[in-house]
Amino acid sequence: GAGVSQSPSNKVTEKGKDVELRCDPISGHTALYWYRQSLGQGLEFLIYFQGNSAPDKSGLPSDRFSAERTGGSVSTLTIQRTQQEDSAVYLCASSFEAHNEQFFGPGTRLTVL
Amino acid sequence: DQQVKQNSPSLSVQEGRISILNCDYTNSMFDYFLWYKKYPAEGPTFLISISSIKDKNEDGRFTVFLNKSAKHLSLHIVPSQPGDSAVYFCAASDRGATNKLIFGTGTLLAVQP
Repeated sequence: GAGVSQSPSNKVTEKGKDVELRCDPISGHTALYWYRQSLGQGLEFLIYFQGNSAPDKSGLPSDRFSAERTGGSVSTLTIQRTQQEDSAVYLCASSFEAHNEQFFGPGTRLTVL
Repeated sequence: DQQVKQNSPSLSVQEGRISILNCDYTNSMFDYFLWYKKYPAEGPTFLISISSIKDKNEDGRFTVFLNKSAKHLSLHIVPSQPGDSAVYFCAASDRGATNKLIFGTGTLLAVQP
């Protein structure tokens, strides 16, 4: 069956521009997570969705970062006024419920010049 | 504050031998631990997990050991195969909350033929 998909796979942008990253979770998965991996670092939690609501946004690094989820399915992570330190691989994961195994997508590599 | 630590950035093992990857954590609220494997340009893939009520979980060639008093876990792979060469991430969660995963920085395993 289809796994978690993310688009684009790569994004190069200029400092100060806004970017949108998309995640399509596995069908039927109610829990959705965003993580990011900066160079040489482990994966860092950003935000958790249960359905369309986000009960845990504690990992968002600044108010330039926001995310939404619609229809209990697709999620979009938006970064406004991108900075060079935002360069990282952004990974999305979904699970059937919050306490089940998380399945990861391939990630979006964001490069801010 | 690194709550999950993998102190060995890399490990090299001969094919057929045992690979032992180590992980330490600091947060005593963690009650679920996982190992993920990651190939370049792919998302992490779940390998094996262990609940804090157990001290060992085995799945084929993979065994995870948990020492709660030492706040330490390890992944044993035996026998190691060249296809096991990848980055291995240790992760932990507090399943009573959102099940967000806290990851270590990873260990690059190279299995030499």
